[in-house]
Amino acid sequence: KAGVTQTPRYLIKTRGQQVTLSCSPISGHRSVSWYQQTPGQGLQFLFEYFSETQRNKGNFPGRFSGRQFSNSRSEMNVSTLELGDSALYLCASSFSSGARDTQYFGPGTRLTVL
Amino acid sequence: AQRVTQPEKLLSVFKGAPVELKCNYSYSGSPELFWYVQYSRQRLQLLLRHISRESIKGFTADLNKGETSFHLKKPFAQEEDSAMYYCALMDSNYQLIWGAGTKLIIKP
Repeated sequence: KAGVTQTPRYLIKTRGQQVTLSCSPISGHRSVSWYQQTPGQGLQFLFEYFSETQRNKGNFPGRFSGRQFSNSRSEMNVSTLELGDSALYLCASSFSSGARDTQYFGPGTRLTVL
Repeated sequence: AQRVTQPEKLLSVFKGAPVELKCNYSYSGSPELFWYVQYSRQRLQLLLRHISRESIKGFTADLNKGETSFHLKKPFAQEEDSAMYYCALMDSNYQLIWGAGTKLIIKP
């Protein structure tokens, strides 16, 4: 099976811009979770989509949003970028919602905000 | 508050020595805990979860509810065990709360 893929792998943006990240889950997986990883805060849960519906949301401002398509691919959008949004963004897919099934992680998208 | 604490940012041991990576948690319900590992230039991946009670790559972890701990252990470290290890707790919404991670270095 092909693993979870994320595009792009690297992004450089400036403050105030917006960005869209993409995640393609493992075939057959209906859940996609997004995480932010930074040296200061570690891994933090952003949100989860299951069958095109947002199931859960972490403690992030409304500038962070996402969606999931009928083929389970998911996108994450960050508007009005701030310097503190610089991070590695990981997505993970699983068959069931949440961490009840094993989550398989993508390689991440490294976002740098200048 | 729900929280996972990994007190050691870095742990360095010699090859062949025992390894113990500490994880403590705070959770009011019945906890479900995980260890994830990230080898250099590889993806984050599940190492083990306590409900499966498996031993993966020689690692084991026992849930101690009295001490609210889920320490990861291996009797004889190997160089290929060098990696970043994360302890995680599944909350009531089935989402993961992560520890800060411990970098394990196995010296030859």
